[in-house]
Amino acid sequence: NAGVMQNPRHLVRRRGQEARLRCSPMKGHSHVYWYRQLPEEGLKFMVYLQKENIIDESGMPKERFSAEFPKEGPSILRIQQVVRGDSAAYFCASSPGQEAFFGQGTRLTVV
Amino acid sequence: QQQVKQSPQSLIVQKGGISIINCAYENTAFDYFPWYQQFPGKGPALLIAIRPDVSEKKEGRFTISFNKSAKQFSLHIMDSQPGDSATYFCAASTGNNRKLIWGLGTSLAVNP
Repeated sequence: NAGVMQNPRHLVRRRGQEARLRCSPMKGHSHVYWYRQLPEEGLKFMVYLQKENIIDESGMPKERFSAEFPKEGPSILRIQQVVRGDSAAYFCASSPGQEAFFGQGTRLTVV
Repeated sequence: QQQVKQSPQSLIVQKGGISIINCAYENTAFDYFPWYQQFPGKGPALLIAIRPDVSEKKEGRFTISFNKSAKQFSLHIMDSQPGDSATYFCAASTGNNRKLIWGLGTSLAVNP
């Protein structure tokens, strides 16, 4: 059973471009969470999704950020018109119910 | 405000010693308290977790102690090894949502 797969591992975008981060949950896991981690800080919750539904997006910035978890395929975190402050590590976690298992993250650098 | 407060920020322990990391929380609705270990460039890995109906849980060299009345919980790493050098995070969640609220982390260094 493969773990949570995130890609790409590293992503460099120029200011104003779009960033798409992908997350394939562990087999059998129907809950997906996205977190952001800034250097030397803890993780901050962004969004919680189940298949085709956003359950809680209270941690998502109101503008430029969106997330989806379609019926088929990976979960996508999309950041439009990136700014330097979006540079961070973005982690996806999947869960069968309570325990959350994390991917290796995508490190986004905005130049 | 920080709902989960973690201390110390950094910790240096000699090989074979006991590492102790503490967390305190505010929200009495929290009912699940995991600890995660993170190595540089890697994702957090679940170490051990506890629910408030238990005061202690042990898995190998790792023990969680939980004090519901004080709203505190701690991680003890027995016989600390250089390979334990990492950042440790406590977290908490509640209800069906299960989104994790995180402490700011403790950087542990175990000297050989």
